[in-house]
Amino acid sequence: KQEVTQIPAALSVPEGENLVLNCSFTDSAIYNLQWFRQDPGKGLTSLLLIQSSQREQTSGRLNASLDKSSGRSTLYIAASQPGDSATYLCAVTGANSKLTFGKGITLSVRP
Amino acid sequence: DVKVTQSSRYLVKRTGEKVFLECVQDMDHENMFWYRQDPGLGLRLIYFSYDVKMKEKGDIPEGYSVSREKKERFSLILESASTNQTSMYLCASSLPRGFSYEQYFGPGTRLTVT
Repeated sequence: KQEVTQIPAALSVPEGENLVLNCSFTDSAIYNLQWFRQDPGKGLTSLLLIQSSQREQTSGRLNASLDKSSGRSTLYIAASQPGDSATYLCAVTGANSKLTFGKGITLSVRP
Repeated sequence: DVKVTQSSRYLVKRTGEKVFLECVQDMDHENMFWYRQDPGLGLRLIYFSYDVKMKEKGDIPEGYSVSREKKERFSLILESASTNQTSMYLCASSLPRGFSYEQYFGPGTRLTVT
């Protein structure tokens, strides 16, 4: 059974810092990996999708990498801002099209 | 832009009531999903559907049923609501196998069962 782990559960950084959020998964037979953002009480917003054949994806200040063989992904946020404060979730899609989620990392960016 | 809408943002129901949560997507996606999200447990898949009138159980289907009579609409039904079904419910949709499989989520319904 696929398991997705995100450590630590919470992170607090000063504004302007570059940071890396980590995600690991146990079964490398994935179709893709998605990073989501969730604001308190809201739904999930897709940030980046990496297909299993890709190594990374970039969108603005965000860069996500995927190392399928080692079961790891990282989300890099450049020059963090208070508006980046949210919970970030990593999820992998298996061959059955089901997503398995990590429990998320709650990020707080201090002004 | 893909849009997934859910019928209610907040819902309060009594124990034993039958509850319907509705989800509609406007991008002609084949796949639709229902999740619940609880603190400390994360998101868990309840049911999903890969076509009209087709459904498959997810990880926690007990106490729930679903209906998909039209491609754009996927309903989650709590036959007899219980307090342990108090949760945030999230609907999602995606294209089928062979496409990007990117899932798009609705805003969520916070259900309280008293």
